[in-house]
Amino acid sequence: DIQMTQSPSSVSASVGDRVTITCRASQGISSWLAWYQQKPGKAPKLLIYAASSLQSGVPSRFSGSGSGTDFTLTISSLQPEDFATYYCQQARAFGGGTKVEIK
Amino acid sequence: EVQLVQSGAEVKKPGATVKISCKVSGYTFTDYYMHWVQQAPGKGLEWMGLVDPEDGETIYAEKFQGRVTITADTSTDTAYMELSSLRSEDTAVYYCATDSESGSYYFDYWGQGTLVTVSS
Repeated sequence: DIQMTQSPSSVSASVGDRVTITCRASQGISSWLAWYQQKPGKAPKLLIYAASSLQSGVPSRFSGSGSGTDFTLTISSLQPEDFATYYCQQARAFGGGTKVEIK
Repeated sequence: EVQLVQSGAEVKKPGATVKISCKVSGYTFTDYYMHWVQQAPGKGLEWMGLVDPEDGETIYAEKFQGRVTITADTSTDTAYMELSSLRSEDTAVYYCATDSESGSYYFDYWGQGTLVTVSS
């Protein structure tokens, strides 16, 4: 089974900061990777699919990159509404999550 | 507008069975797979399984195999997830979700979640 490892598990940042979250797959997965944002008490929201494709309606400050085993989610300029937990996913396997907190 | 509306919170005793529903609207139910995802309190997301509403075929995660049953009722556009032999570790929010490109596992629509509490 494929394992997905995210880092860091949490990050403290300020509004306007650039934030980068990484996700590593235990074996090559080509570009079959998604990123989700989850706020407390809410269902996850799809941000990025196919590693770098922006889901409709998602702000362009979110971007994804990578292929094979190493992937990155970047928030170019953190906004107040972006404080949340982010998960990567490859098919049936989710990463452990990264909590983006206010510094 | 695509909507997935789940049934309400449940409280169950250890050893019991819970069945959660997920009623869809806004798209053709048989067009997309329906997945179920578990999230224990303060924990991450765990994929449980899927059903293809078109033919009822299912795939289950190994962790839940033997305890979970996912079904789809095309007459009511409703998917169900039944989890048996409940234990305290099954206390969690359960989500239904669709991947609008069936088989992609990119979950673009989600239900609101159903909290299941297992307690004696």
